[in-house]
Amino acid sequence: QVQLVQSGVEVRKPGTSVKVSCKASGYTFTNYGIMWVRQAPGQGLEWMGWISGYHGNTNYAQKFQGRVTMTTDASTSTAYMELRSLRSDDTAVYFCARVNPSALDHWGQGTQVTVSS
Amino acid sequence: DIQMTQSPSSLSASVGDRVTITCQASQDITNYLNWYQQKPGKAPKLLIYDASDLETGVPSRFSGSGSGTDFTFTISSLQPEDIATYYCQQFHNLPYTFGQGTKLEIK
Repeated sequence: QVQLVQSGVEVRKPGTSVKVSCKASGYTFTNYGIMWVRQAPGQGLEWMGWISGYHGNTNYAQKFQGRVTMTTDASTSTAYMELRSLRSDDTAVYFCARVNPSALDHWGQGTQVTVSS
Repeated sequence: DIQMTQSPSSLSASVGDRVTITCQASQDITNYLNWYQQKPGKAPKLLIYDASDLETGVPSRFSGSGSGTDFTFTISSLQPEDIATYYCQQFHNLPYTFGQGTKLEIK
């Protein structure tokens, strides 16, 4: 069965970086892309960007351009999302999800990232 | 960016009621519209893709319709386990924006 398992809770200080992982299993990793979506406390879903599982091409939401990097490691079927220069308003739950091919059909459990001094 | 406007933002209904949520896109997205259900503390779950196709394993009381800019999501007979927040998402143009969500409660 398809599973996406994300890394655990992260607490960071403003100005630092965080890297969240998303390990896929139950399917051929390179056949599907991965999207990243975040959800601030009590808020809706915000699209951050996506990465192709095959060639690693990326597309990022404009508001994260220059601060986010999405990568994959096909050898371990793992996707990564690194966000830099963290601010308090980056406090959110970060989700990865599989793109199939025009919907997000499987999601990770979410990773809580808290940014606080 | 394509703006997705969902209405209502919240909704209270009784068990057995027919519930309808609408989603309007700021430009034509053909049928590239998905609906997700999110329960508190959980990841979203895909219910409907390509505007009207039911995801495998999703109960048939959920349905979707529409094309172009106007879309509708319907629960034919509300069940207690349907209490959640529902989101639409367009998959026509990057960035793949979401609606603001509709919180569904039991009356």
